[in-house]
Amino acid sequence: DTEVTQTPKHLVMGMTNKKSLKCEQHMGHRAMYWYKQKAKKPPELMFVYSYEKLSINESVPSRFSPECPNSSLLNLHLHALQPEDSALYLCASSPSLAGGYNEQFFGPGTRLTVL
Amino acid sequence: AQSVTQPDIHITVSEGASLELRCNYSYGATPYLFWYVQSPGQGLQLLLKYFSGDTLVQGIKGFEAEFKRSQSSFNLRKPSVHWSDAAEYFCAVGLNSGYSTLTFGKGTMLLVSP
Repeated sequence: DTEVTQTPKHLVMGMTNKKSLKCEQHMGHRAMYWYKQKAKKPPELMFVYSYEKLSINESVPSRFSPECPNSSLLNLHLHALQPEDSALYLCASSPSLAGGYNEQFFGPGTRLTVL
Repeated sequence: AQSVTQPDIHITVSEGASLELRCNYSYGATPYLFWYVQSPGQGLQLLLKYFSGDTLVQGIKGFEAEFKRSQSSFNLRKPSVHWSDAAEYFCAVGLNSGYSTLTFGKGTMLLVSP
């Protein structure tokens, strides 16, 4: 299985809602990533988990809360988002964070719209 | 810190014509280099990668890229473009030591004309 899956595909939420994005991989990868991507821009790194521990947080607002329940799953909990948070949220995984093993495999993304 | 430059924001190519997308990187040593493709509303798909060895790398969908150390470049090529190749292309750099994430270029949008 060489896939990264993400659910849901689309999500519309109000600014007072709480929702979660899910990501799953079964490639035995030990690094997992959340990216935010606005239209016509490259992906922006948000968080990185390495061996289920949060390794990198790129100064993301606390209304985004990541969680890595096990080595195959990655969640992104959303609360009190703003309209400017509307974007494509991409999950990725790589064998590890170590140089030479950081080839990343991406999921199809969740298109988030905040009203 | 490493950086990646894709000088062309968008390129239009006729179907059947050849394609070259440019990528230049800045890094003190030889990095790991990647090309990803993204169709509208989709995730990124890895086209090819360079870690070491042969500087001409073959990828999926008929793409190839050549690493030129002297020019700090990793340009993507395809001899004959198909309409389905229209997409956004991202070049990315990773370090070859320690721990690192990927640094992406700003992307090049490829348009294919009939």
